[in-house]
Amino acid sequence: KAGVTQTPRYLIKTRGQQVTLSCSPISGHRSVSWYQQTPGQGLQFLFEYFSETQRNKGNFPGRFSGRQFSNSRSEMNVSTLELGDSALYLCASSLSLRGLETQYFGPGTRLLVL
Amino acid sequence: AQKITQTQPGMFVQEKEAVTLDCTYDTSDPSYGLFWYKQPSSGEMIFLIYQGSYDQQNATEGRYSLNFQKARKSANLVISASQLGDSAMYFCAMREGFGANSKLTFGKGITLSVRP
Repeated sequence: KAGVTQTPRYLIKTRGQQVTLSCSPISGHRSVSWYQQTPGQGLQFLFEYFSETQRNKGNFPGRFSGRQFSNSRSEMNVSTLELGDSALYLCASSLSLRGLETQYFGPGTRLLVL
Repeated sequence: AQKITQTQPGMFVQEKEAVTLDCTYDTSDPSYGLFWYKQPSSGEMIFLIYQGSYDQQNATEGRYSLNFQKARKSANLVISASQLGDSAMYFCAMREGFGANSKLTFGKGITLSVRP
């Protein structure tokens, strides 16, 4: 099976712009989660989608939003970009192993905000 | 209190030797899972191994094993026969509860460098 794919892999934007990142989960996985990773804050949970509905949300401002489509693909949008939004954005899709949701990650999108 | 604690500074190990990466956790939920991920410099988080709180035996996956000590709330990763390709950041993570609202919480990670 193909793994989780994320596009684009690298992105440079300027402050005030908006950006949309895309994630395609492993075939058959219905849950998609997004994380932000920075050297200072580490890995922080953004949100999780399951069957096109947001199931969980982290502590991020409303500038960060997402959605999931009927084919389980997900997009994440960040509006009014700030310098502090520069980060690696990781997407993960989940599979239940022995009753436990196990997340498999994509390669990430590196966003640089200038 | 931090849910996942990884306090070791950068770790170094000689190729072909074994290394243990420490992880302690904090939860009052009787149902939880502990996970280890590897993140090479390329950025991708690679799932290595997991242990459920009700599992009777320590998990093993190839050269990876998890030393699960429930009473001590520790879940250390043991890598046997280290290889140069094992050089990476290693993250311990926990999911509390098995329900739909459970989230994965990550530790700050440990850098492992394998010396030839």
